[in-house]
Amino acid sequence: QQQVKQSPQSLIVQKGGISIINCAYENTAFDYFPWYQQFPGKGPALLIAIRPDVSEKKEGRFTISFNKSAKQFSLHIMDSQPGDSATYFCAAQGNFGNEKLTFGTGTRLTIIP
Amino acid sequence: DAMVIQNPRYQVTQFGKPVTLSCSQTLNHNVMYWYQQKSSQAPKLLFHYYDKDFNNEADTPDNFQSRRPNTSFCFLDIRSPGLGDAAMYLCATSTIGKQETQYFGPGTRLLVL
Repeated sequence: QQQVKQSPQSLIVQKGGISIINCAYENTAFDYFPWYQQFPGKGPALLIAIRPDVSEKKEGRFTISFNKSAKQFSLHIMDSQPGDSATYFCAAQGNFGNEKLTFGTGTRLTIIP
Repeated sequence: DAMVIQNPRYQVTQFGKPVTLSCSQTLNHNVMYWYQQKSSQAPKLLFHYYDKDFNNEADTPDNFQSRRPNTSFCFLDIRSPGLGDAAMYLCATSTIGKQETQYFGPGTRLLVL
């Protein structure tokens, strides 16, 4: 019940295309869903996050779509660029103080020219 | 710039030889975390500190210990490294609270020979 399932494991998208990464969870106590971006040799960094009171959040080219009834959320990267090539982790967290992040398994995204 | 610093970036040790990894932060955050990340996997939480209050994950091997002598520094001690402990070790920090952003350092890559 604590798992967050993430797909696909790897993704290749052409420059300018839309990259879509999907996550699903079971634990209804989760109410905060961040996405972390990790470049090779670096630690993860928060990219964008959403709470379940909204169905979509957009920051620049990055959008999270959230479906509370299906317990699914996804990251969309519009106009994907080679600099977006990285590993993306979805995560989930409950609502009490400093509860640990439950990470998805990660998606390695490669943007090709 | 405020940041999370990890030293060394690469560490080679011998099977069974104790090793210490260090983390320092200039963010003045109360909470510090240690994660283990193996190739193509999500970060796995080992333990964390709320100030000096130590919290161990149930499945963290006894071989792993941690010390936090002050707010800025935290150490990960691996008492008898095995081949299976070869991984990237990530330090992260956050403020105390609900769903606070975690800020990751660049990691230390540990190789066990």
